[in-house]
Amino acid sequence: DAKTTQPNSMESNEEEPVHLPCNHSTISGTDYIHWYRQLPSQGPEYVIHGLTSNVNNRMASLAIAEDRKSSTLILHRATLRDAAVYYCILRDGGTSGTYKYIFGTGTRLKVLA
Amino acid sequence: DGGITQSPKYLFRKEGQNVTLSCEQNLNHDAMYWYRQDPGQGLRLIYYSQIVNDFQKGDIAEGYSVSREKKESFPLTVTSAQKNPTAFYLCASSIAGSYYGYTFGSGTRLTVV
Repeated sequence: DAKTTQPNSMESNEEEPVHLPCNHSTISGTDYIHWYRQLPSQGPEYVIHGLTSNVNNRMASLAIAEDRKSSTLILHRATLRDAAVYYCILRDGGTSGTYKYIFGTGTRLKVLA
Repeated sequence: DGGITQSPKYLFRKEGQNVTLSCEQNLNHDAMYWYRQDPGQGLRLIYYSQIVNDFQKGDIAEGYSVSREKKESFPLTVTSAQKNPTAFYLCASSIAGSYYGYTFGSGTRLTVV
């Protein structure tokens, strides 16, 4: 199973950009990179996903390294509401079309006012 | 609005009793999943189902049982065989075989008293 490695915690000042790194050196050619975030006592929320090219949506941007062995989630202007645990996950499903996520412990982001 | 509903939000159980957690979705998603989360930990997969009347064990299925009689519903029973059932339980759904993400419920916090 392809695994990801993330720092346990990071801090950011409010209104500043945040770059959350993720290493996935064993990623396979068809694995998508997904990011979720989880606020306290809530279910995880989808943030963004990508395969090879950088991706942008209203929540964040995803920068994927050329060799795909790492990626970075970018929050352009952190707010207090962005304080959460961020999970970087690889699709794990083989060829059957069935896939299930394997969650690590994620990165706990603290946003300082 | 479409979504996934877990009930109850909080549940207390006496040791030795079975308890069933409800998960209902109106997203017309084929696949549904149950995860367990312990304090400060990531999510661990208990069971998942890709179609009605079919389900597979995840990484920590011992002491749990599920059913999938309807597409919309995927209840989880925590049996007395589960040695340490106190945890936060999360249900999710997705389009089977899709590269898009999961939709999670808001979770059920189970406490054994």
